[in-house]
Amino acid sequence: EAGVAQSPRYKIIEKRQSVAFWCNPISGHATLYWYQQILGQGPKLLIQFQNNGVVDDSQLPKDRFSAERLKGVDSTLKIQPAKLEDSAVYLCASSLRNPSRGDEQYFGPGTRLTVT
Amino acid sequence: AQSVAQPEDQVNVAEGNPLTVKCTYSVSGNPYLFWYVQYPNRGLQFLLKYITGDNLVKGSYGFEAEFNKSQTSFHLKKPSALVSDSALYFCAVRDEEYSSASKIIFGSGTRLSIRP
Repeated sequence: EAGVAQSPRYKIIEKRQSVAFWCNPISGHATLYWYQQILGQGPKLLIQFQNNGVVDDSQLPKDRFSAERLKGVDSTLKIQPAKLEDSAVYLCASSLRNPSRGDEQYFGPGTRLTVT
Repeated sequence: AQSVAQPEDQVNVAEGNPLTVKCTYSVSGNPYLFWYVQYPNRGLQFLLKYITGDNLVKGSYGFEAEFNKSQTSFHLKKPSALVSDSALYFCAVRDEEYSSASKIIFGSGTRLSIRP
């Protein structure tokens, strides 16, 4: 089966510019996650969707970050305006069912964002 | 609150020797525990998980992990290391009691280096 797809793979922008990332999860996966992975750290959950509803966005900096999953399939994550500290790899992951069942996550290759 | 710790930033092992990558956790309920591996410029790959049942869990690429409830540990092991096992390894935990606060938490990662 096809894995989680993400684009672009790399992005370089100047601070105060905006950027958007796209993710297409594995077909049939109900749960979709966006993570931020800063160099030398583990992934940090930004937002979790169950179908097209938001389950957890407690760590999403809502003044500048937004995400949507309108039809319960693919998703976009936007940053506007970007700051230097947003430089990181943004990972998208999906899992089959409700996370409370302990389903493992499948990760995309990530988008490496550099803000200059 | 839940947390996970990987006390070693780096583990160095000679090829053919056994390896252990350590992980300890803290949850209020019963834990769901995961190990993921990350190769350069790639997303995370699922290795194995503990949900319930047998304390020794076997996963991909010959890896296994032992759940120890009294020591709140979930160390990753392999009897004979390969150079190709060199990568970044992440332990993750989720509290079984699903709630808005029960997100999956990743450790900071352990870099495993296998020398020929």
